[in-house]
Amino acid sequence: DAGVIQSPRHEVTEMGQEVTLRCKPISGHDYLFWYRQTMMRGLELLIYFNNNVPIDDSGMPEDRFSAKMPNASFSTLKIQPSEPRDSAVYFCASSQTGGLGRKLFFGSGTQLSVL
Amino acid sequence: EDKVVQSPLSLVVHEGDTVTLNCSYEVTNFRSLLWYKQEKKAPTFLFMLTSSGIEKKSGRLSSILDKKELFSILNITATQTGDSAVYLCAVEASSSNYKLTFGKGTLLTVNP
Repeated sequence: DAGVIQSPRHEVTEMGQEVTLRCKPISGHDYLFWYRQTMMRGLELLIYFNNNVPIDDSGMPEDRFSAKMPNASFSTLKIQPSEPRDSAVYFCASSQTGGLGRKLFFGSGTQLSVL
Repeated sequence: EDKVVQSPLSLVVHEGDTVTLNCSYEVTNFRSLLWYKQEKKAPTFLFMLTSSGIEKKSGRLSSILDKKELFSILNITATQTGDSAVYLCAVEASSSNYKLTFGKGTLLTVNP
């Protein structure tokens, strides 16, 4: 398996523009997570899905952020309108139900810069 | 609110040294503790610990969990420059909907 695939790897945009980040989880994994990482706050969970259904979006900073998972192999995280404080690395991760513990597999991340 | 605190925040050692990284946590209904290594980009999985006192080992890395004192340590012996990375600790609790809460990480730099 190719692992978790994210695109784009880098995104530079201007304040006010819409940004869409994409993720393909590992085949067979039924959990998908979106994280944001900054120097100040570390890794923060934004939202996660189980079997394509959003379970907990309490980490989504505000209404400008939305996430969808239309099927088991694809998810998007959208920011509209984007702001400079959204600049961060956004990671998608997936995992599989079963046993104790949540072993996450991370994608390579999207480095977002909002100017 | 679940809390995970790692120490030290950063550490600089010479090749061959042994290092110990610490992770303490406060969660309700603990399920597991995980260690990840983050080099350039994506965190990669190292260990998952669920029971106290049982050491997990992989080569020069080892980790142990103390559920009574609510902490874990990650040991790296005979460090190499390739061990330079951020080491992240994360805790999963059933009270938080099985989400992982991450610490801020320890930046380890191994100099030749």
